[in-house]
Amino acid sequence: IAGITQAPTSQILAAGRRMTLRCTQDMRHNAMYWYRQDLGLGLRLIHYSNTAGTTGKGEVPDGYSVSRANTDDFPLTLASAVPSQTSVYFCASSETGLAAYNEQFFGPGTRLTVL
Amino acid sequence: RKEVEQDPGPFNVPEGATVAFNCTYSNSASQSFFWYRQDCRKEPKLLMSVYSSGNEDGRFTAQLNRASQYISLLIRDSKLSDSATYLCSGGYNKLIFGAGTRLAVHP
Repeated sequence: IAGITQAPTSQILAAGRRMTLRCTQDMRHNAMYWYRQDLGLGLRLIHYSNTAGTTGKGEVPDGYSVSRANTDDFPLTLASAVPSQTSVYFCASSETGLAAYNEQFFGPGTRLTVL
Repeated sequence: RKEVEQDPGPFNVPEGATVAFNCTYSNSASQSFFWYRQDCRKEPKLLMSVYSSGNEDGRFTAQLNRASQYISLLIRDSKLSDSATYLCSGGYNKLIFGAGTRLAVHP
């Protein structure tokens, strides 16, 4: 593994189903982030974690949950998917979560379609 | 008003042209600013950080204007390979991204 990986690459999901998007980084970065990207709206922060064991809400957290049990993994769960959650999801990490001083490295993204 | 705003474009320019993008931010406490490049259906990648004194990296120059609360990206001698979407970002506690400006460089 080099950098950040995400799985799955793409997924079609029926509304009401539960789905977990996986994100793993091998850079030993303290901070990790989940964004969704929609046409015309850009990247919007869903949840973040400044260090293992802590998480925080971003701009659009409703309908999503995260956990950070260790440094490397930051899964994003949709408890009951709805069509408005159709989007491209990017996981990112940075060396620290202090302010916005650090470059963020992004994973390749997961394209999710909820029908 | 969005915290970080960009002109979505597209900017259609010929090879060799100079093109500039601006990005405005509303949070005067924002400390850090970056330009990211995003190719179609790919993840964003850092193009350059934006320093208070301005900085240059080859054909790319980034500037910060705190008084007017905007950052800019200047691309000189545009190449076909510069065609992409350019995202600006800034923030205090967290990075806020603009929606991106699309650049299309044609022969």
